Amino acid sequence: NAGVTQTPKFRILKIGQSMTLQCAQDMNHNYMYWYRQDPGMGLKLIYYSVGAGITDKGEVPNGYNVSRSTTEDFPLRLELAAPSQTSVYFCASKGLAYYNEQFFGPGTRLTVL
Amino acid sequence: DAKTTQPNSMESNEEEPVHLPCNHSTISGTDYIHWYRQLPSQGPEYVIHGLTSNVNNRMASLAIAEDRKSSTLILHRATLRDAAVYYCILRDVESGGGADGLTFGKGTHLIIQP
Repeated sequence: NAGVTQTPKFRILKIGQSMTLQCAQDMNHNYMYWYRQDPGMGLKLIYYSVGAGITDKGEVPNGYNVSRSTTEDFPLRLELAAPSQTSVYFCASKGLAYYNEQFFGPGTRLTVL
Repeated sequence: DAKTTQPNSMESNEEEPVHLPCNHSTISGTDYIHWYRQLPSQGPEYVIHGLTSNVNNRMASLAIAEDRKSSTLILHRATLRDAAVYYCILRDVESGGGADGLTFGKGTHLIIQP
């Protein structure tokens, strides 16, 4: 199993550009998550999904959009990138049971200039 | 989720035990105590979790106070590879059916000296 994979690893955007961060998992997990981590801080939840076609906002959703058309994929879309979105983005997935652990991807480091 | 308090940083020597404390005085009866760690330049990884009883796995042990208002993550013999940020997180099993994301604080930065 590859687990949770994320692409790209690094990206530099100009203000106002858009991009999609890709996330895929091969563990057949229902739950998937997007977090962002600013320097020296803990992770903050952006969006999450409990299954294909179902998404919900987390703590910091503004400036982002998500979709979940398949169990495996959970892309995060940034529209009109701003310097405040400079961060490291982590995708995670989890099985159905409440005690199941979350598995995290390696992250995407995004810089908006 | 209830709040947790952890020291900002701790330092230990290689091959010695490490005790990482976490205070959670407002914990509810349905809160599980989870520990995750984040190695440098990596995503977080699960370490251990428990509810009331002490727990052991291949990575660590979790000691939970009798009143559940505090817990301690124990690394029995720290190695340089254990240098990471350790997060203590409470998860209410009745909240969102377990689908909710994790609420991360700043965690404890563990430094291991050779």
